[in-house]
Amino acid sequence: DAGVIQSPRHEVTEMGQEVTLRCKPISGHNSLFWYRQTMMRGLELLIYFNNNVPIDDSGMPEDRFSAKMPNASFSTLKIQPSEPRDSAVYFCASSFSGFSVSPLHFGNGTRLTVT
Amino acid sequence: QQQVKQSPQSLIVQKGGISIINCAYENTAFDYFPWYQQFPGKGPALLIAIRPDVSEKKEGRFTISFNKSAKQFSLHIMDSQPGDSATYFCAASRYSGGYQKVTFGTGTKLQVIP
Repeated sequence: DAGVIQSPRHEVTEMGQEVTLRCKPISGHNSLFWYRQTMMRGLELLIYFNNNVPIDDSGMPEDRFSAKMPNASFSTLKIQPSEPRDSAVYFCASSFSGFSVSPLHFGNGTRLTVT
Repeated sequence: QQQVKQSPQSLIVQKGGISIINCAYENTAFDYFPWYQQFPGKGPALLIAIRPDVSEKKEGRFTISFNKSAKQFSLHIMDSQPGDSATYFCAASRYSGGYQKVTFGTGTKLQVIP
């Protein structure tokens, strides 16, 4: 089990550029979450997918943020245009949503710096 | 009502000592209380979890104490080791909108000094 795989690990971009973060969840997991971590706000849930369908995107901060999950093994989080205040560590997490509670399995994150 | 308050923000403990991190919540609908451990450059990983129908859960050197009436829970790390140095997040979750929605505390950075 390779765990949740995120790429890239680090991304440095200029304000106004498009940024795409990628995630491969654990095989067999049917739930996928995108989180953002900052010192000021801690861990914030951005969006939740279940069986590849977006269920809760209430945490997406603005229309500049979008997320897709075209299949069970891949998801992207896109920021267009990026702004300096988007600088944070973005985590993808997956779990199996069934009859019992399943823990979140996080990737190692993408550290985004927008200059 | 969705907040989980965590304290302290940082903690320094000597090797062999007891580390204690406290959390409090308001929403009585929460029904699962996990703790996550995060090392630098890594994502959070589940450490231990408890349901509100038990008052204590122990796994090795890690113990969760849960006080349902006070809406508080805490993590105790016995015989703390330098390898325990990490950031610890308490969390509370409840089934809402078709999934188990997790609310995280703000984190406690633990440093265990030799």
